[in-house]
Amino acid sequence: DAKTTQPNSMESNEEEPVHLPCNHSTISGTDYIHWYRQLPSQGPEYVIHGLTSNVNNRMASLAIAEDRKSSTLILHRATLRDAAVYYCILRDPPGNTNAGKSTFGDGTTLTVKP
Amino acid sequence: NAGVTQTPKFQVLKTGQSMTLQCAQDMNHEYMSWYRQDPGMGLRLIHYSVGAGITDQGEVPNGYNVSRSTTEDFPLRLLSAAPSQTSVYFCASRTRGSSAGADTQYFGPGTRLTVL
Repeated sequence: DAKTTQPNSMESNEEEPVHLPCNHSTISGTDYIHWYRQLPSQGPEYVIHGLTSNVNNRMASLAIAEDRKSSTLILHRATLRDAAVYYCILRDPPGNTNAGKSTFGDGTTLTVKP
Repeated sequence: NAGVTQTPKFQVLKTGQSMTLQCAQDMNHEYMSWYRQDPGMGLRLIHYSVGAGITDQGEVPNGYNVSRSTTEDFPLRLLSAAPSQTSVYFCASRTRGSSAGADTQYFGPGTRLTVL
């Protein structure tokens, strides 16, 4: 499986933007980039995903480097409720041998200061 | 839809005991997975399944068995519990849809297991 590398922790001030980086230098051409977050004492929840183009949804934006070897999750205005562990993972497209296998690393723990 | 449900929510075992953690989903998802999360750590994949009757090992399969007799259920069995298996266990499911947009993975609330 292609691996991802994320910083262990990051801090942000409330109401400020947050840029969470992820390196995936061994990504294959068909791997999707997914982001999940895990709030305290809960299971992970989906945030956003993309393949090549930048993506926006109501929760966040995903900026993907042109060579796809890195990506950045952008929270436009951090709130205290955004304090969580953020996971960047790569996923095979449907039909690939490992499509059903989904591994998570240790993620980035985001602390939001009031 | 109830989504992904897990039982029990909490469990305390003695070393050597066996038990089964239950996981069920009502979304007709083909893919199901079991993860463990140790304190302060990320998720580690134990076993996963791509459909009824098909299972495979993940990153940390030792000490655990799984089976998938139906699409809905994916139980995880601890054969002989050890203190090292104290952890929070999460079950997850997702569809095998051809559309990338259908690839969201849904997680259950977790089972907190303590082995004494």
